Amino acid sequence: AQSVAQPEDQVNVAEGNPLTVKCTYSVSGNPYLFWYVQYPNRGLQFLLKYITGDNLVKGSYGFEAEFNKSQTSFHLKKPSALVSDSALYFCAVSLSGGYNKLIFGAGTRLAVHP
Amino acid sequence: EPEVTQTPSHQVTQMGQEVILRCVPISNHLYFYWYRQILGQKVEFLVSFYNNEISEKSEIFDDQFSVERPDGSNFTLKIRSTKLEDSAMYFCASSNLGGGANTGELFFGEGSRLTVL
Repeated sequence: AQSVAQPEDQVNVAEGNPLTVKCTYSVSGNPYLFWYVQYPNRGLQFLLKYITGDNLVKGSYGFEAEFNKSQTSFHLKKPSALVSDSALYFCAVSLSGGYNKLIFGAGTRLAVHP
Repeated sequence: EPEVTQTPSHQVTQMGQEVILRCVPISNHLYFYWYRQILGQKVEFLVSFYNNEISEKSEIFDDQFSVERPDGSNFTLKIRSTKLEDSAMYFCASSNLGGGANTGELFFGEGSRLTVL
């Protein structure tokens, strides 16, 4: 069965410091991997995706993520965090050939402190 | 910027009542979805819809649920007889790319919070 794990309920980081939000996945077949962000009282917003090609993908708002097949991970990173990055972040996986059926992780709350 | 809109933002209903949640997807999108998020839990896939029929549905999407695209703009989720455990935030999403090599991102609405008493 497909699954996504986000091992941290919350990540705290000081503004200006690098941040990492972790994600590991378990699928049979080739995974398509996504990060979404949810701000308070808003819907989920797409950040970035990995389909194929370069393992390092860049997305919106300066975020990037690295696909690591051997570790089945897709960690979200940003070199310098902003207070406005504080939000709920969801990792998701889809199988190739699906109609964008996404399996989401439980979410990680990122708190960036001034 | 085009966006997915959902109504109502919050609905309170009595157990056993029918509920219809409405969504207006982005106008040139062809693929439509419903997801839900029970408070404090994961976002879960319910159903995908393309070319006026269900493409895929989850185990959650039982006979109490139905979807419809009654006209060229709306996409609705109906829960025929609500249960307490249907209380959740329901998200509509749309995309203009299908699965496979063209898998693209989903655009989500802000959600409809359903509270079943």
